[in-house]
Amino acid sequence: NAGVTQTPKFQVLKTGQSMTLQCAQDMNHEYMSWYRQDPGMGLRLIHYSVGAGITDQGEVPNGYNVSRSTTEDFPLRLLSAAPSQTSVYFCASSYDPSAYEQYFGPGTRLTVT
Amino acid sequence: AQKITQTQPGMFVQEKEAVTLDCTYDTSDQSYGLFWYKQPSSGEMIFLIYQGSYDEQNATEGRYSLNFQKARKSANLVISASQLGDSAMYFCAMRGNTGGFKTIFGAGTRLFVKA
Repeated sequence: NAGVTQTPKFQVLKTGQSMTLQCAQDMNHEYMSWYRQDPGMGLRLIHYSVGAGITDQGEVPNGYNVSRSTTEDFPLRLLSAAPSQTSVYFCASSYDPSAYEQYFGPGTRLTVT
Repeated sequence: AQKITQTQPGMFVQEKEAVTLDCTYDTSDQSYGLFWYKQPSSGEMIFLIYQGSYDEQNATEGRYSLNFQKARKSANLVISASQLGDSAMYFCAMRGNTGGFKTIFGAGTRLFVKA
């Protein structure tokens, strides 16, 4: 049982490049979400999904796309990276939307130059 | 709109003493959950404790307890008998039970435990 895994751990992009941050969980959790963490701030919700085929926007969705084709995977796509997207990205999952504990992945540190 | 406020950017505590980390919240939801997470310097997010808005008793988990005062909209974390390993960032978070169960986080409090 690996829990929530994220790849890559570190990434450097040039402005305008695109990439996908991967997130997978093996706990059969329905609820998955993406957060970003900037210095001096808590985590901010980017997008979330309450199950395969269903996604919705969080607090800061602009510049990011998501899809949820399977229960296990919830990739986050940056279509055209900008320096403002330099951040640490966390993926999290929970059994269902009302479950009181979210399990977090180890994070991806992204730098956009 | 939901909001979490943590007014203490940094706190110091002597080893073996208790410390309270403040958290106030604002929400229009009748039913909601309050959480605390620990983030050590290694960066992972560790779930500590949960309090439901309808729970009558304050939550406790080992050395962690949540001092929930609903009328004041506060959910302070109390750590008893602090240990050096408690030095970390601590985040208060809230999840409303409407609108997709989104979780919002406060800005965090950095706790330093002194030997």
